[in-house]
Amino acid sequence: DTGVSQDPRHKITKRGQNVTFRCDPISEHNRLYWYRQTLGQGPEFLTYFQNEAQLEKSRLLSDRFSAERPKGSFSTLEIQRTEQGDSAMYLCASSPTGDEQYFGPGTRLTVT
Amino acid sequence: GENVEQHPSTLSVQEGDSAVIKCTYSDSASNYFPWYKQELGKGPQLIIDIRSNVGEKKDQRIAVTLNKTAKHFSLHITETQPEDSAVYFCAASEVDSSYKLIFGSGTRLLVRP
Repeated sequence: DTGVSQDPRHKITKRGQNVTFRCDPISEHNRLYWYRQTLGQGPEFLTYFQNEAQLEKSRLLSDRFSAERPKGSFSTLEIQRTEQGDSAMYLCASSPTGDEQYFGPGTRLTVT
Repeated sequence: GENVEQHPSTLSVQEGDSAVIKCTYSDSASNYFPWYKQELGKGPQLIIDIRSNVGEKKDQRIAVTLNKTAKHFSLHITETQPEDSAVYFCAASEVDSSYKLIFGSGTRLLVRP
């Protein structure tokens, strides 16, 4: 399968714990996006990378959130001191040019 | 910033009938409009898109129309099949450096056999 992959698919954590998610984009796609989707809503933009550079962050991305794409390939999204409001589906998308974004299956986070 | 509204929130049609989903956007600078299909437990799948220099685009049973003056765009699915049942999202993006997508709230389509 040459699509976008995300790991883990599901994560249950207790409030206050740190979690990290990984996204592997489609090979040679230099743009990578993170979105968050809550139940019954459309995805909301969090941040975007072009190669290894993080070029834009949403106001939704509080200082508890950090994202990296160290070698311009896979990316990680870390949430520190998780809160119940962080429970959501975290989606990663990649694109060769910016338009035509292809999404992965997502990581569903549940904070108890 | 951009705001995208999508209607209806749910749509039930008989197999073989057509389905139409409508979206409006607020930012006249937006010029890229994709549509995504999301099945339960999966990520959104890009099904068709349109750019602002085009008024209509077709791909087999699906088509999208864009009215830039009125700032609205629509998804048309003809000859619906049960496998078309899913949640459909419209989105808008300004072709600036980021291409970040602003999504509508989704339409749950049910195709009755």
